Amino acid sequence: DAKTTQPNSMESNEEEPVHLPCNHSTISGTDYIHWYRQLPSQGPEYVIHGLTSNVNNRMASLAIAEDRKSSTLILHRATLRDAAVYYCILRDVGSNYKLTFGKGTLLTVNP
Amino acid sequence: KAGVTQTPRYLIKTRGQQVTLSCSPISGHRSVSWYQQTPGQGLQFLFEYFSETQRNKGNFPGRFSGRQFSNSRSEMNVSTLELGDSALYLCASSLALGHEQFFGPGTRLTVL
Repeated sequence: DAKTTQPNSMESNEEEPVHLPCNHSTISGTDYIHWYRQLPSQGPEYVIHGLTSNVNNRMASLAIAEDRKSSTLILHRATLRDAAVYYCILRDVGSNYKLTFGKGTLLTVNP
Repeated sequence: KAGVTQTPRYLIKTRGQQVTLSCSPISGHRSVSWYQQTPGQGLQFLFEYFSETQRNKGNFPGRFSGRQFSNSRSEMNVSTLELGDSALYLCASSLALGHEQFFGPGTRLTVL
């Protein structure tokens, strides 16, 4: 399985943008890049996903490098409710779509 | 629309016993996945079901098994419980394989 590498933790201030990096140098052509987050005492929730092009939704933006070996989840204006563990996951559509979670990045948002 | 529900929410068992956990997916969702979450190992994939068939399996011993019913509800079973099986067991449902997964609140299993 292709692996992802994320920083263990990051800090941000409220109402500032947050850029959460993810490296996936062994990504294959059939891997989609997914981001999930897990708020304290809750199950993970889907944030966004993409294959090659940058993606935007109401929660965040996903910027994917041209060679697809890295990506960045962008929260445009962090709020206290965005404090969570963020997981960058590769999902191989050629291999039964298995989700393999790494350690994730613990995002702390300061008021 | 109701979310993913898991029962029971909390469970205490002793070593050697077996346990069955239940997951009801969001209405219309046909795929169900199971994960184990522990402080040491993080979130680990157990298995995924679609249309009553196991489509994918993680690296867990055969003591961990599951099934999916025709109404898409799923159960997972752990036999001969060990202390290390203490964990939060999460179920996630999706419309189909590869779609966005919606997670339930989990079942907290404690093995004494």
